[in-house]
Amino acid sequence: AQSVTQPDIHITVSEGASLELRCNYSYGATPYLFWYVQSPGQGLQLLLKYFSGDTLVQGIKGFEAEFKRSQSSFNLRKPSVHWSDAAEYFCAVEGQAGTALIFGKGTTLSVSS
Amino acid sequence: DVKVTQSSRYLVKRTGEKVFLECVQDMDHENMFWYRQDPGLGLRLIYFSYDVKMKEKGDIPEGYSVSREKKERFSLILESASTNQTSMYLCASSHHGGLAGSNEQFFGPGTRLTVL
Repeated sequence: AQSVTQPDIHITVSEGASLELRCNYSYGATPYLFWYVQSPGQGLQLLLKYFSGDTLVQGIKGFEAEFKRSQSSFNLRKPSVHWSDAAEYFCAVEGQAGTALIFGKGTTLSVSS
Repeated sequence: DVKVTQSSRYLVKRTGEKVFLECVQDMDHENMFWYRQDPGLGLRLIYFSYDVKMKEKGDIPEGYSVSREKKERFSLILESASTNQTSMYLCASSHHGGLAGSNEQFFGPGTRLTVL
């Protein structure tokens, strides 16, 4: 069965420091992977997605993620974190086209000044 | 600008009441989804629909039902609300077909339901 694991429940990063949020997936075939962000009191917004091609994916707000099949990982990175990046981040995997996403439990990012 | 709207941001109901949560999308999407979000549990799929009048159970359908009479509208129904249904409810929609992985899900702002 497909599953997504986000090992870190909560991460605190200093403003201006780099960020990496971890995501591991379990899926037999080629996974289709997503990162979403949820600001407090808001719905989810898509940051980026991977479904083929270049394994380094660029997203909005300066985020990128790298798909590593050998490690079953799709980690999210940002070189310099801003205070407005404080939010909850969800990694998700999709199975067949058009089916529901399976989400990880999320990582809460706090940004310290 | 694409939009998924939910009828209420906050809702307080009493145990045993029948509760309707409405979701409307203006993107002509075929797929619509209802999730609930709880701290430490992430998002869990309750029901989804591929087309009008069609529905599929998700991971946690117990205590819920859905209705999709029009393409743009997907309703979640709590037949007899219970305190353990206190949660954040998120609606989403996406296109069906095309390249797998290209069917981004668009989310509404959520409804925070409290059952007393």
